[in-house]
Amino acid sequence: AQKITQTQPGMFVQEKEAVTLDCTYDTSDPSYGLFWYKQPSSGEMIFLIYQGSYDQQNATEGRYSLNFQKARKSANLVISASQLGDSAMYFCAMREWGQGAQKLVFGQGTRLTINP
Amino acid sequence: DAGVTQSPTHLIKTRGQQVTLRCSPKSGHDTVSWYQQALGQGPQFIFQYYEEEERQRGNFPDRFSGHQFPNYSSELNVNALLLGDSALYLCASSLPGWSTDTQYFGPGTRLTVL
Repeated sequence: AQKITQTQPGMFVQEKEAVTLDCTYDTSDPSYGLFWYKQPSSGEMIFLIYQGSYDQQNATEGRYSLNFQKARKSANLVISASQLGDSAMYFCAMREWGQGAQKLVFGQGTRLTINP
Repeated sequence: DAGVTQSPTHLIKTRGQQVTLRCSPKSGHDTVSWYQQALGQGPQFIFQYYEEEERQRGNFPDRFSGHQFPNYSSELNVNALLLGDSALYLCASSLPGWSTDTQYFGPGTRLTVL
């Protein structure tokens, strides 16, 4: 079974600083996908960024980048120039296949607080 | 472009009752997945529907059932509610389950069981 570990329950960062949220994963499948989602207090899960296991380069989406270290099985999210609106829960997830369908397996999440 | 919508937003039920939650997928998507998110936890996969059939199921009892309609919208039904069923229920839509498409989530339905 696949597993996602997020070891930082909470992070506090000053506005405009960069922040790295950690994620490690465990899988025996050679083909997999890793996702990061943001969940504000409203509850909606907002897709941020995706990294495929065969992607040669680290994924980037605006201020978000994914530091993908395959050998270490880590997929850390980097947010550059943090903003107050970045305060939220952040979840790392892995795509898992079964019965011809995919599901997402989530970590416990990291609560990020941006201080002015 | 309409995103994933869910109704109702909030719901309060008592133990033993039954509840139905609804989800409309993002335009162009035909696969719907349901997740349960208990307070302080990450979401847990309940099941996925594609072509009006349940394609994969997580570790949830038969009290949890679902349905997908020809217009791809979906319902989640929970019978004989328990206090432990209190959670945020999230619906996600994507292209067919065999694709590698991203799952996009709705705003969720917060269920409280008293």
